Amino acid sequence: DAKTTQPNSMESNEEEPVHLPCNHSTISGTDYIHWYRQLPSQGPEYVIHGLTSNVNNRMASLAIAEDRKSSTLILHRATLRDAAVYYCILIPSISNFGNEKLTFGTGTRLTIIP
Amino acid sequence: GAVVSQHPSWVICKSGTSVKIECRSLDFQATTMFWYRQFPKQSLMLMATSNEGSKATYEQGVEKDKFLINHASLTLSTLTVTSAHPEDSSFYICSAPTLAPTYQETQYFGPGTRLLVL
Repeated sequence: DAKTTQPNSMESNEEEPVHLPCNHSTISGTDYIHWYRQLPSQGPEYVIHGLTSNVNNRMASLAIAEDRKSSTLILHRATLRDAAVYYCILIPSISNFGNEKLTFGTGTRLTIIP
Repeated sequence: GAVVSQHPSWVICKSGTSVKIECRSLDFQATTMFWYRQFPKQSLMLMATSNEGSKATYEQGVEKDKFLINHASLTLSTLTVTSAHPEDSSFYICSAPTLAPTYQETQYFGPGTRLLVL
């Protein structure tokens, strides 16, 4: 399985943008890039996913490098409620995303400074 | 998004007793559910895949006789930790996928159950 590499931790000031990087140099052409986050003492929640083009939703934006070997999750205006561990996960496109077993790496622990 | 609940949210038990954790999909049906375990400061580790009407599939290294999984209906899966010991103390999380057109095709996670075995 293709692996992802993320920084262990990052800090950001409240109300500023946050860019969370993920490296996936061995990504295959059919792997989708998914992001989940886990708030303290809660189960993970879906954030966003994409294949090649940049994606936006109400929670975040996903910027995908042209060679797809890296991606960046962008929180446009971080709030204290965004403090969480963010996981970058690759899922083959041949799968029903929901039925695919998810392999969680160590993720990035994001701390928001008031 | 779709809602997955877990009960109880936390439980304390004595060593040697069994504990049952329920995972319910509240507004959709799930033929498959996943069970994860998370130790403090660590990532989630998949334990098993629960399949409605059939046996669960366990990940390598997970004792199926210790962690009993029953997926008796399309909205309920249970995980029973049998003869619990302190090393079983952990955060147990379930997830369920949904194909309902009103929801994102992804997995929805429960809030987790924290188990402490004394």
